[in-house]
Amino acid sequence: DGGITQSPKYLFRKEGQNVTLSCEQNLNHDAMYWYRQDPGQGLRLIYYSQIVNDFQKGDIAEGYSVSREKKESFPLTVTSAQKNPTAFYLCASSDRIDSPLHFGNGTRLTVT
Amino acid sequence: EDQVTQSPEALRLQEGESSSLNCSYTVSGLRGLFWYRQDPGKGPEFLFTLYSAGEEKEKERLKATLTKKESFLHITAPKPEDSATYLCAVQANFNKFYFGSGTKLNVKP
Repeated sequence: DGGITQSPKYLFRKEGQNVTLSCEQNLNHDAMYWYRQDPGQGLRLIYYSQIVNDFQKGDIAEGYSVSREKKESFPLTVTSAQKNPTAFYLCASSDRIDSPLHFGNGTRLTVT
Repeated sequence: EDQVTQSPEALRLQEGESSSLNCSYTVSGLRGLFWYRQDPGKGPEFLFTLYSAGEEKEKERLKATLTKKESFLHITAPKPEDSATYLCAVQANFNKFYFGSGTKLNVKP
């Protein structure tokens, strides 16, 4: 079955450490996205990529970095510069303009 | 300012009690409006896309409608398995999606 795989499901880190969240898709979609979800708030866009080797900042990119070296992979690094990294992170993809986003099942990151 | 507002924040229904969820938006250049269902600890699951005012989509007990300023998700005779958070998203420009904060639906047997 085609879909988006995020790993790990749960991640725990100490403050000051960088951490990388994995996102892999086998839908052959060109565009991929990273969102952050906090209780009581709508999803907020961190980064997105429309094509391999190209990506753009979203609304809350500070303290995050991404790479897009392969069409199927879009890892997100949460750096120590991110002030409030504890959140639920969602990866998504879409195949063309005006088509819906397809989401993975998320990674819950807890930083203490 | 482009934004999406969902109401109510939470809704508790008895099994079989029909109701509607609202998604209002102030976005210039609507390209599409999307409804998702999200279960606890999971990613959102796509339900419907609506592109123009007057359009309607149906799936089992759910029906989505769209006007120029808002969308409704009607739930007819809900069952406990319909309990979830329902998210609304609007696409204004290419690759720019605006999400509401969701309506948490609880259907009691």
